[in-house]
Amino acid sequence: AQKVTQAQTEISVVEKEDVTLDCVYETRDTTYYLFWYKQPPSGELVFLIRRNSFDEQNEISGRYSWNFQKSTSSFNFTITASQVVDSAVYFCALNYRGNTGKLIFGQGTTLQVKP
Amino acid sequence: DAGVIQSPRHEVTEMGQEVTLRCKPISGHDYLFWYRQTMMRGLELLIYFNNNVPIDDSGMPEDRFSAKMPNASFSTLKIQPSEPRDSAVYFCASSPDRGPGEKLFFGSGTQLSVL
Repeated sequence: AQKVTQAQTEISVVEKEDVTLDCVYETRDTTYYLFWYKQPPSGELVFLIRRNSFDEQNEISGRYSWNFQKSTSSFNFTITASQVVDSAVYFCALNYRGNTGKLIFGQGTTLQVKP
Repeated sequence: DAGVIQSPRHEVTEMGQEVTLRCKPISGHDYLFWYRQTMMRGLELLIYFNNNVPIDDSGMPEDRFSAKMPNASFSTLKIQPSEPRDSAVYFCASSPDRGPGEKLFFGSGTQLSVL
């Protein structure tokens, strides 16, 4: 079965705190892709990052970083020095070979960053 | 370049009425997807098109739902007759390629409320 679990429903932090959003996935395919999308209060879904199953390198982009660990089937997302503008719903998603466009989304984590 | 454009942003209708949601994908993108977002089921794929041809409509909930793509720059999702349980946010997304690693570009969504 293909599945994405985001166990944290809601997280609230104070500005400048670091926060990690967890994502655990299940798949039997050896070739798969993991994504993070952000849904700000305005509603649209914005692509943040994509990782394929053969690339376990962690990635950093400004205040954002992603930790991909195949051993634990996790693809966690960390925001360093959070800001109010980071407040949004964050979705982790999975896709696999032969499954065009059928992104399997987690339930999302609502992040609230308070000033 | 303009992103994926959806209209209307909000739609309020009464049970039994016909509802038509519209989408203009990004120019040059060969794939178009319709997703639905609800609290209970999260984000789920309804249907997707490749070069204006419906490829997979297995996510369409029932015969009351239909989708068309008469040309490369326009798609509609129609619900007839609408029911209160159809209330959700409907997203259109497009993608330039079919690979499972391809990111999707989402529109701002249509918030549908069926009373």
